[in-house]
Amino acid sequence: EVQLVESGGGLIQPGGSLRLSCVVSGFTISNNYMSWVRQAPGKGLEWVSIFYDSSTTYYADSVKGRFTISRDNSKNTIYFQMNSLRAEDTAVYYCVRSSNIHYYFDSWGQGTLVTVSS
Amino acid sequence: EIVLTQSPDTLSLSPGETATLSCRASQSVSGYLAWYQQKLGQAPRLLIYDTSNRAIDIPSRFRGSGFGTDFSLTISNVEPEDFAIYFCQQRSNWPPFTFGQGTKVEI
Repeated sequence: EVQLVESGGGLIQPGGSLRLSCVVSGFTISNNYMSWVRQAPGKGLEWVSIFYDSSTTYYADSVKGRFTISRDNSKNTIYFQMNSLRAEDTAVYYCVRSSNIHYYFDSWGQGTLVTVSS
Repeated sequence: EIVLTQSPDTLSLSPGETATLSCRASQSVSGYLAWYQQKLGQAPRLLIYDTSNRAIDIPSRFRGSGFGTDFSLTISNVEPEDFAIYFCQQRSNWPPFTFGQGTKVEI
């Protein structure tokens, strides 16, 4: 069974840092594109970042230069280092797998809430 | 960046009726469009990919159509569990992947 379990969210002051983790079971992350997608409270979905390998990593303009996606194959875990956090980064962050067949987002974690507020 | 605009924002229906949701792209995405369903407090779920292909375990009452810039999701004989928010998403020209703002299907 495919499972993605996020952790690391919480309340953080503006300018602070957080690292999200996504522990994956049921498939090997090195064989898939893995993304973070966020959803501000009561709002729509926003793709934030994708990782396939060290040369295939992309970010939304809204987080470029502040956030870094990475993975640890030995732990089958995806990380999301978020620095210089702003109020507008407040959202539920979902760890998401892209299917190797059609490349859409076919498996989602339950999400972890990040609240940026003083 | 390709902008996806969904309409209507809210669709009010009774069980058994047919829902038709629209997604319009600011430029052609060919057939590279998906639909997701999100229920309250849950993560989104992939329903349709590449315009018209149902994802695993998605019932046949969900049907996608369209090409280029205009797409539709039709839900026939709406059931109580179908009341949710629906998002379209393109993967034609990425990054970034982009989503529509969502259509809420309510009773």
